[in-house]
Amino acid sequence: KQEVTQIPAALSVPEGENLVLNCSFTDSAIYNLQWFRQDPGKGLTSLLLIQSSQREQTSGRLNASLDKSSGRSTLYIAASQPGDSATYLCAVNSGNTPLVFGKGTRLSVIA
Amino acid sequence: DAGVIQSPRHEVTEMGQEVTLRCKPISGHDYLFWYRQTMMRGLELLIYFNNNVPIDDSGMPEDRFSAKMPNASFSTLKIQPSEPRDSAVYFCASSLEGGYGYTFGSGTRLTVV
Repeated sequence: KQEVTQIPAALSVPEGENLVLNCSFTDSAIYNLQWFRQDPGKGLTSLLLIQSSQREQTSGRLNASLDKSSGRSTLYIAASQPGDSATYLCAVNSGNTPLVFGKGTRLSVIA
Repeated sequence: DAGVIQSPRHEVTEMGQEVTLRCKPISGHDYLFWYRQTMMRGLELLIYFNNNVPIDDSGMPEDRFSAKMPNASFSTLKIQPSEPRDSAVYFCASSLEGGYGYTFGSGTRLTVV
């Protein structure tokens, strides 16, 4: 059974810092990996999708990398802003199957 | 499109009562998922449908939980009888594919007292 772990569970940084969120998964036979953002009281919004054949994806200040063989992914956020404060969730799946989520990292960016 | 619509947004009920959560997926999406989110366990898949047919309900915690999708535009998740440990945020999501392109609803926060 696939298990997804995210470290740290919570993170607080001053505005402007670059930061890295970590995600690991137990079964490396994944089809794709996704990073989501969740704001308090809201649903999840997809940020980045990395297919198993890819090593990284970038969107603006966000960069996600994937090391499938070691079962790890990182989400790099450059020049963090207070508006980046949210919970970030990592999710993986195998084939055309539902996503399995980590518990998330709760990020606070302090102005 | 208004996105995935869930109702109600908040539900407070007494232990033993029946609770029905509702979801309207995005038109044209073939997949519908019900997830439950708690602090302790994170987001857990309860059940998912493909073309209105339940594919995997192994995540449904007990027989007290049931889900239906009578047509492509509506799904319900029912808990009968409800218990305090059912308190959580329940999310519905829909997609064209089973593994990506999910659109989540805003969730229903259920509190059972």
